[in-house]
Amino acid sequence: EIVLTQSPATLSLSPGERATLSCRASQSVSSYLAWYQQKPGQAPRLLIYDASNRATGIPARFSGSGSGTDFTLTISSLEPEDFAVYYCQQRSNWSALTFGGGTKVEIK
Amino acid sequence: QVTLRESGPALVKPTQTLTLTCTFSGFSLSTSGMCVSWIRQPPGKALEWLALIDWDDDKYYSTSLKTRLTISKDTSKNQVVLTMTNMDPVDTATYYCARILLQGGLDYWGQGTLVTVSS
Repeated sequence: EIVLTQSPATLSLSPGERATLSCRASQSVSSYLAWYQQKPGQAPRLLIYDASNRATGIPARFSGSGSGTDFTLTISSLEPEDFAVYYCQQRSNWSALTFGGGTKVEIK
Repeated sequence: QVTLRESGPALVKPTQTLTLTCTFSGFSLSTSGMCVSWIRQPPGKALEWLALIDWDDDKYYSTSLKTRLTISKDTSKNQVVLTMTNMDPVDTATYYCARILLQGGLDYWGQGTLVTVSS
């Protein structure tokens, strides 16, 4: 099973700042990595799929990069509604999809 | 538009079998590339993938839970059913179903259903 490790666990930033979130895979997942945003009491929302493709309706301030084992989600300038928990997820192996442990982006 | 909705019991007793139904609209699970997955989230914890069924009726399960899980589909009713046997209090979680495309991510999610395991 591919393990995804997200860092940091918590990111304390102010609105307008740049957020950089990391996701590292225990083995190569090629570009088959997605990012999700989850707010309290809500289902996750797909932000990025296949490492760098924004999902429908996702603002351009969200971008994804990476391939193989190292991936990054960047939020170029944090808006108040961006403070949430972010998860990465791999689909390299259909028989065992996995999620990372999450990064909480909180208001400093 | 695409929607998914989970339904099932809110409370189950330890050792019982949980049966959850995902009823969806806006797509067909007989269309090539379409899949539905189940994911759960214990209170305050991370997401955990459970199972997936694809348009061709291929089924995939979490390695750690596969002996307890069964996923099935009824294409005519637009439903996917997940059963989990031998429920334990540690299985208390919000259970989500979501659509996943062969190329892409989990793009549409249900609202989730909280299942509590307690005697």
